[in-house]
Amino acid sequence: GESVGLHLPTLSVQEGDNSIINCAYSNSASDYFIWYKQESGKGPQFIIDIRSNMDKRQGQRVTVLLNKTVKHLSLQIAATQPGDSAVYFCAETYTGRRALTFGSGTRLQVQP
Amino acid sequence: EPEVTQTPSHQVTQMGQEVILRCVPISNHLYFYWYRQILGQKVEFLVSFYNNEISEKSEIFDDQFSVERPDGSNFTLKIRSTKLEDSAMYFCASSADRERNTIYFGEGSWLTVV
Repeated sequence: GESVGLHLPTLSVQEGDNSIINCAYSNSASDYFIWYKQESGKGPQFIIDIRSNMDKRQGQRVTVLLNKTVKHLSLQIAATQPGDSAVYFCAETYTGRRALTFGSGTRLQVQP
Repeated sequence: EPEVTQTPSHQVTQMGQEVILRCVPISNHLYFYWYRQILGQKVEFLVSFYNNEISEKSEIFDDQFSVERPDGSNFTLKIRSTKLEDSAMYFCASSADRERNTIYFGEGSWLTVV
């Protein structure tokens, strides 16, 4: 069956460093991927998305990389700030399907 | 910035009771969703709704669950007879259309079944 999973449950970084959060997916039909940030007690907040016709997409301080060959997705956060501390989820879906399949999440802890 | 709003933020209910969770999706969105998140676990899809009917549902969304769009703005999730394992955060979400299918989530309704 399809699944989306994360390699590291917790990532601790120093303020100002770059963070890389990884995600693996198993459904080769997946063609749309999203990263969400979830702060404690709040709903998932959209960060950035990428379609399968792209390898890389940049936003403000964030970059998503997609490697379809190995079914791997990563989120890079530049100059990590204390406000970036949260749980980050990758999610995926495919054309014709509306539902997102979420990964299990990585907790990012930013040390001052 | 437009947002998905949900009420109540927290509800405690007795096992066997009916619960209705309410949502106001983003106004120009056409697709509506319910997801849930059991404490400490990942977010799970329940149901999607488009053009006044369910377009997709998961195995979790069994006969005790139902959704409704009673008017032009509200989208509700009803749990007919709650069980202890229904305790979770329930998120409503919406998206605009097929091309701009970024899904935006509300802040959630925390349901505790006792």
